[in-house]
Amino acid sequence: GAGVSQSPRYKVAKRGQDVALRCDPISGHVSLFWYQQALGQGPEFLTYFQNEAQLDKSGLPSDRFFAERPEGSVSTLKIQRTQQEDSAVYLCASSLEPYGYTFGSGTRLTVV
Amino acid sequence: AQKITQTQPGMFVQEKEAVTLDCTYDTSDPSYGLFWYKQPSSGEMIFLIYQGSYDQQNATEGRYSLNFQKARKSANLVISASQLGDSAMYFCAMREGEGNNDMRFGAGTRLTVKP
Repeated sequence: GAGVSQSPRYKVAKRGQDVALRCDPISGHVSLFWYQQALGQGPEFLTYFQNEAQLDKSGLPSDRFFAERPEGSVSTLKIQRTQQEDSAVYLCASSLEPYGYTFGSGTRLTVV
Repeated sequence: AQKITQTQPGMFVQEKEAVTLDCTYDTSDPSYGLFWYKQPSSGEMIFLIYQGSYDQQNATEGRYSLNFQKARKSANLVISASQLGDSAMYFCAMREGEGNNDMRFGAGTRLTVKP
C-alpha cells in the first residue's frame, strides 16, 4: 500500500482483556518498529523487526507484551491481561533504508 | 539515561516570524542520525528533516533548517516564516550506529503559532 496502515484506529479494552494491534507496513520495507506513546509524551521504543526476525525487544515493558511478524510483512503487537497503564497510542513505523521511516496513524488503546 | 532532551515543553511564535526548537542529544557512537518529526493533533508523525553525524553542512528542507552543532551535541530545528498550520508537537529523535536501528525520541515541544 501507499502508507503504513494500522488497525484498529481505536480500541477500548476492559482491564484484564487481551488485545491485538495490527500493522501493515509499506510493501517491501524490511524494517518494522513499534512504539508506545503515552499522552503528552514522546514515542517510546518497544521492539524492532528486520524481515521476520525480531532483533530488539528491549523496550517491551513486561512479558504481557508480545510482537510477531511471521512472514516478514504484517506485524501484530499483542498485549495480554491489559492494565490501565497500557493506555497509550501504539505507533508502527516501517523503513527500507536507514534514512526514511514512515509512521502509521497509530492505534489509540484505552483500558477501562 | 535520557539520550534526547527537549527542554521547551511549549513555545509560542507570531505568524510569519521564525522560531527555534531546542534539542540536545547524548551518544558515544561516532555514527548517528538526527531527525525532527511534526505531530499535529490528528496524531500522525510527519518527517521533517534529517541530519547525519558526518554531514558537513546543516540540513535544510524548505522552511525547515537544522542548526547542527556537533561539539555541543545540539540539533535545533529552525522554522522560518511560521504559519498557523505549523502549530503541532515537534519531536527530535536520534538513531545511533550504522544500519537500520531504532530511533529514540525526546519528550517533544508544543508549538503554537499566533495569528
